[in-house]
Amino acid sequence: AQRVTQPEKLLSVFKGAPVELKCNYSYSGSPELFWYVQYSRQRLQLLLRHISRESIKGFTADLNKGETSFHLKKPFAQEEDSAMYYCALASYGGATNKLIFGTGTLLAVQP
Amino acid sequence: DADVTQTPRNRITKTGKRIMLECSQTKGHDRMYWYRQDPGLGLRLIYYSFDVKDINKGEISDGYSVSRQAQAKFSLSLESAIPNQTALYFCATSDFLSNTGELFFGEGSRLTVL
Repeated sequence: AQRVTQPEKLLSVFKGAPVELKCNYSYSGSPELFWYVQYSRQRLQLLLRHISRESIKGFTADLNKGETSFHLKKPFAQEEDSAMYYCALASYGGATNKLIFGTGTLLAVQP
Repeated sequence: DADVTQTPRNRITKTGKRIMLECSQTKGHDRMYWYRQDPGLGLRLIYYSFDVKDINKGEISDGYSVSRQAQAKFSLSLESAIPNQTALYFCATSDFLSNTGELFFGEGSRLTVL
């Protein structure tokens, strides 16, 4: 079964501390994974996708097929990073791009 | 500005009432989706549509129906609302041609069923 697991509902860190938001997936094919972010009073939006291998707002995420993980990392957290983060898996069946979301992790960065 | 717009933004209703949530988009995307967001459960897919003549059930379609009136419009209906349908509902769109997997979300419709 296709599944995305985010084990932490809440992650609280201090400003300047490293951040790692965990994401594990279950998928029989070649996965495409994404991180979406929802800032307070804003729309859910794409943060980054694994195929781009990019760093956005200092965040990076590496796909580890052996561990079936796609953890989101940032070396030094900022207060403006406080938001809800969702890991998502693209489920393909006939050239579709339906996304399966995890349950989300609320990141709270304390001053 | 090209956008995804949901109406109403907030709605309180009673058990047994029929409710329609509407979504319109000016992005020119062919694909549209309805998700619901519940605390601790994340976003779950209700229905999705890849073009006007294509409607597909998601993981939690029971109690819901949809209508794709045009490429730009995708409505979600609750024929007889019940309290456990209280949630935040999101419409989203994507573009098949770009095939990047990116979804563009509306601002959400908060529904409360008493």
